[in-house]
Amino acid sequence: GNSVTQMEGPVTLSEEAFLTINCTYTATGYPSLFWYVQYPGEGLQLLLKATKADDKGSNKGFEATYRKETTSFHLEKGSVQVSDSAVYFCALSDRYTGNQFYFGTGTSLTVIP
Amino acid sequence: DAGVIQSPRHEVTEMGQEVTLRCKPISGHDYLFWYRQTMMRGLELLIYFNNNVPIDDSGMPEDRFSAKMPNASFSTLKIQPSEPRDSAVYFCASSLVGDPDTQYFGPGTRLTVL
Repeated sequence: GNSVTQMEGPVTLSEEAFLTINCTYTATGYPSLFWYVQYPGEGLQLLLKATKADDKGSNKGFEATYRKETTSFHLEKGSVQVSDSAVYFCALSDRYTGNQFYFGTGTSLTVIP
Repeated sequence: DAGVIQSPRHEVTEMGQEVTLRCKPISGHDYLFWYRQTMMRGLELLIYFNNNVPIDDSGMPEDRFSAKMPNASFSTLKIQPSEPRDSAVYFCASSLVGDPDTQYFGPGTRLTVL
């Protein structure tokens, strides 16, 4: 079946530190992979996505590369800001299961000045 | 566009009462999803619709939960009777068949059952 496993939090970093949040997946077909972000009190927002192997998604300084050989989609940012404090969700969507998304459990990030 | 709209934003009720959560998807979107978020279980898909038709309701926890989508611009999630373990944030999301990879989430309804 389809599932996503992501690094447990919470993660606390100082401003300008390097961020990595690990995400691995299992899928029966050819999934698209996503990172969604949830700011306090809000719904989830799409941060970036990659639809096939070796694609790199990027947005707002965040990057993630679709690695089929390691079934991973790790989120990285070179220099985090206080405004990046949020919960980050890794997710996959497999067209063989319609438009259904499978989300990880979320990783809480707090960036301190 | 106003985005996905959910109401109410907060709901506090007593055990045994009926609760109705409402969602207006983005105009023109074909898919609508209901999720539940708790600290213990994370984000769970409850049910989703395609063109107002329920496609997969396997995530609905039990018969106390029901969802309807009478038209393309409105959906409800009803809990009857409610229980304290139903306390959670309930999200509605919608997506377009032409862009199935992006789901647009509403702000959520925080439900507290006393």
